[in-house]
Amino acid sequence: EVQLVESGGGLVKPGGSLRLSCAVSGFTFSSYSMNWVRQAPGKGLEWVSSISSSGGYIYYADSVKGRFTISRDNAKNSLYLQMNSLRAEDTAVYYCARVGKEGAPYYYMDVWGKGTTVTVSS
Amino acid sequence: DIQMTQSPSSLSASVGDRVTITCRASQGISNYLAWYQQKPGKVPKILIYAASTLQSGVPSRFSGSGSGTDFTLTISSLQPEDVATYYCQKYNSAPLTFGGGTKVEIK
Repeated sequence: EVQLVESGGGLVKPGGSLRLSCAVSGFTFSSYSMNWVRQAPGKGLEWVSSISSSGGYIYYADSVKGRFTISRDNAKNSLYLQMNSLRAEDTAVYYCARVGKEGAPYYYMDVWGKGTTVTVSS
Repeated sequence: DIQMTQSPSSLSASVGDRVTITCRASQGISNYLAWYQQKPGKVPKILIYAASTLQSGVPSRFSGSGSGTDFTLTISSLQPEDVATYYCQKYNSAPLTFGGGTKVEIK
């Protein structure tokens, strides 16, 4: 069974840092690009970042560029999101999601984790 | 960057009604468009990709059409279990922008 399990969320003060992880199983992780998508309370979906299967291509939303860093460890079947200089507007549920086509740098997202909640507040 | 605009932002319809949601891209994206369904308190689920291809397991009452800048998601006969918010998303290139969402309720 394909599974994505996020962890690392929590309460952090403005200006603080947090590292999210996404542990995957049930498919060949090293063959797929991955994404982080977030959803602020009561709001819509916002794409945050994408990373290609090898990690060679990385993309960010303007809202997080320069503050967030996406990475992956294919040996550990894990995806990460390092979040620095956090702001109140970064408060959201963060989902990791797999692209729907092996080898594609970006695509629609066919498998989603259940999400981890990040709250930025003093 | 290309903007994705959905309309309406919400709608209320009766069981059995035909429901249509539109998504407009500010520039052409060919058919690189996906539709997702997010039920209250749940994780988003892919419904349609490549503008009109139904994801495996999705009921046939859902359909998608369009190309270029204008796209539609149609529910041919609305069911109670279709209560959800629906999002379009472009994926021709980064940023992979989502539309603002359309909340569908039963009248």
